[in-house]
Amino acid sequence: ETGVTQSPTHLIKTRGQQVTLRCSSQSGHNTVSWYQQALGQGPQFIFQYYREEENGRGNFPPRFSGLQFPNYSSELNVNALELDDSALYLCASSSQGAGGLYEQYFGPGTRLTVT
Amino acid sequence: AQSVTQLGSHVSVSEGALVLLRCNYSSSVPPYLFWYVQYPNQGLQLLLKYTTGATLVKGINGFEAEFKKSETSFHLTKPSAHMSDAAEYFCAVTGGNAGNMLTFGGGTRLMVKP
Repeated sequence: ETGVTQSPTHLIKTRGQQVTLRCSSQSGHNTVSWYQQALGQGPQFIFQYYREEENGRGNFPPRFSGLQFPNYSSELNVNALELDDSALYLCASSSQGAGGLYEQYFGPGTRLTVT
Repeated sequence: AQSVTQLGSHVSVSEGALVLLRCNYSSSVPPYLFWYVQYPNQGLQLLLKYTTGATLVKGINGFEAEFKKSETSFHLTKPSAHMSDAAEYFCAVTGGNAGNMLTFGGGTRLMVKP
């Protein structure tokens, strides 16, 4: 069973640029959540995708957007990068059913540095 | 709305000593509670979780946590620290009906002295 993978591992961008981060969910999982973890802080929820639709969003501006594909992999796009966007971006996949709690499995993250 | 407070951003213990990491939560619905561990340059690994039922929860690597509703706490303990326990620990809460969105505390860095 393959776990959650993310690419790239690290990247450096310049303020104002755009970036795309990718996540492959664990086999059998239909839900992907994205979190931003600034240095020295806990992760913060960005948004979640379930069956290719956004299924919840945290307190992040519209320049943070995402996609989920039919194979349940996902992309996080950030436009007009700001210095404060520098962080570790974590993807978590899970298998959402009719209700109740489902466990989220985290990938290793993508370290984004904005200069 | 939900929130998590982890008291002590840094905790230092000697190898073999008791580990106690504190977590207090606020939730408007019955909470599901989690502890995650993060090693340097890695993602989050689930240590244990509380959903319903028994309030004392045992996890991996000898860790356990007790859900105390009256104190809105979910402290993490381990009887005897090992050098390999040095890492960042995060407490998280979800209400289960908000897409299982996790709200994390700020984290506690555990240092283990030989």
